[in-house]
Amino acid sequence: GAGVSQSPSNKVTEKGKDVELRCDPISGHTALYWYRQSLGQGLEFLIYFQGNSAPDKSGLPSDRFSAERTGGSVSTLTIQRTQQEDSAVYLCASSPTGGGGANEQYFGPGTRLTVT
Amino acid sequence: GNSVTQMEGPVTLSEEAFLTINCTYTATGYPSLFWYVQYPGEGLQLLLKATKADDKGSNKGFEATYRKETTSFHLEKGSVQVSDSAVYFCALSSSAGGTSYGKLTFGQGTILTVHP
Repeated sequence: GAGVSQSPSNKVTEKGKDVELRCDPISGHTALYWYRQSLGQGLEFLIYFQGNSAPDKSGLPSDRFSAERTGGSVSTLTIQRTQQEDSAVYLCASSPTGGGGANEQYFGPGTRLTVT
Repeated sequence: GNSVTQMEGPVTLSEEAFLTINCTYTATGYPSLFWYVQYPGEGLQLLLKATKADDKGSNKGFEATYRKETTSFHLEKGSVQVSDSAVYFCALSSSAGGTSYGKLTFGQGTILTVHP
């Protein structure tokens, strides 16, 4: 079956511009996570959705970052006024049930964001 | 808070050598522990997991045992192959409940290169 998909796969943007990153989770998965993978910081959690609500936004690095999820499916991560330190690979993952600790998370291929 | 520490890499081995990648963790409660692998050009995928003390996770010849007394989850393989070349991430998921349930905390990753 279809896995987690993300778009675009690569995004180059100028400093100060806004970007939107999209994640399509596996159908029926209620939990959705965003992570960021960068050279300096490794893999960091950004935000967790259960259905359409985001009970854990603790990893968002600043108020320039926001995310939403609609219809319990697609999620969009928006970065406003991008900075060079936002350059990273943004990963989305989904999990079949309510974020249970032992449940496997299925990762998408990521969006590589480069801010020039 | 939760944290995961992996042995520093990169690790370079000859085919059929024995592999150990050390992983230790700090967490409240009783976390679930995971090893994820990222093959070149591919997304993160689950390699194995263990959900309680003394559990042994295994897959593709890899294994790791959840050691609560030493807070460790070392990855081992008796005979590595060239196809095992990848980046390996140790991770934990908190079992403390609440809004962080299921969020993964990752180690910094270990690059493994296996030569013929």
